[in-house]
Amino acid sequence: AQSVAQPEDQVNVAEGNPLTVKCTYSVSGNPYLFWYVQYPNRGLQFLLKYITGDNLVKGSYGFEAEFNKSQTSFHLKKPSALVSDSALYYCAVRDIEGKSTFGDGTTLTVKP
Amino acid sequence: DAGVIQSPRHEVTEMGQEVTLRCKPISGHDYLFWYRQTMMRGLELLIYFNNNVPIDDSGMPEDRFSAKMPNASFSTLKIQPSEPRDSAVYFCASSAPGARSPLHFGNGTRLTVT
Repeated sequence: AQSVAQPEDQVNVAEGNPLTVKCTYSVSGNPYLFWYVQYPNRGLQFLLKYITGDNLVKGSYGFEAEFNKSQTSFHLKKPSALVSDSALYYCAVRDIEGKSTFGDGTTLTVKP
Repeated sequence: DAGVIQSPRHEVTEMGQEVTLRCKPISGHDYLFWYRQTMMRGLELLIYFNNNVPIDDSGMPEDRFSAKMPNASFSTLKIQPSEPRDSAVYFCASSAPGARSPLHFGNGTRLTVT
């Protein structure tokens, strides 16, 4: 069975500082990994994905994520946080049959 | 592209009543997912379909829940009878063919059972 862990319920950073939202995963075979963002009263929106190739993937709104196979991690990063980045972030893993499992989510708060 | 369309956006009903949630996936997508979101349990996968066929319904809480996908452009999630503990936001999502594709979510249905 596949699973995703987001060890931090909440991450707080100051505007302009770098941010990291952590994610580890467990899946049989090669992982398909995704990050999504959710704003209040909205559905989740896709940010970026790792399928294969370069371990550093770039996505929307200046976000990037680093895949580390040995640590089974896929941490979300941004060099300089904005107040508008404040939202709920979900990491997800998808298996070869298409089943998509999400972590518990991490609330990111960026303070001015 | 109108995205994934869910209806209604809000539903308030009394315990014991039947509730039907509706979803129209993005045209051309062959995967459809139903998720439930609560503060306590986060985002739970209830069931997913591929090419209108249910693939995994192990997340459906109990027999009171049922889901159908009669064609590629429509799916329903039904709760009968509803209970207060079913109160949650229910999301529908669809994706293009292949497990490498991201999910596209609707804006959800907020269900309140009193």
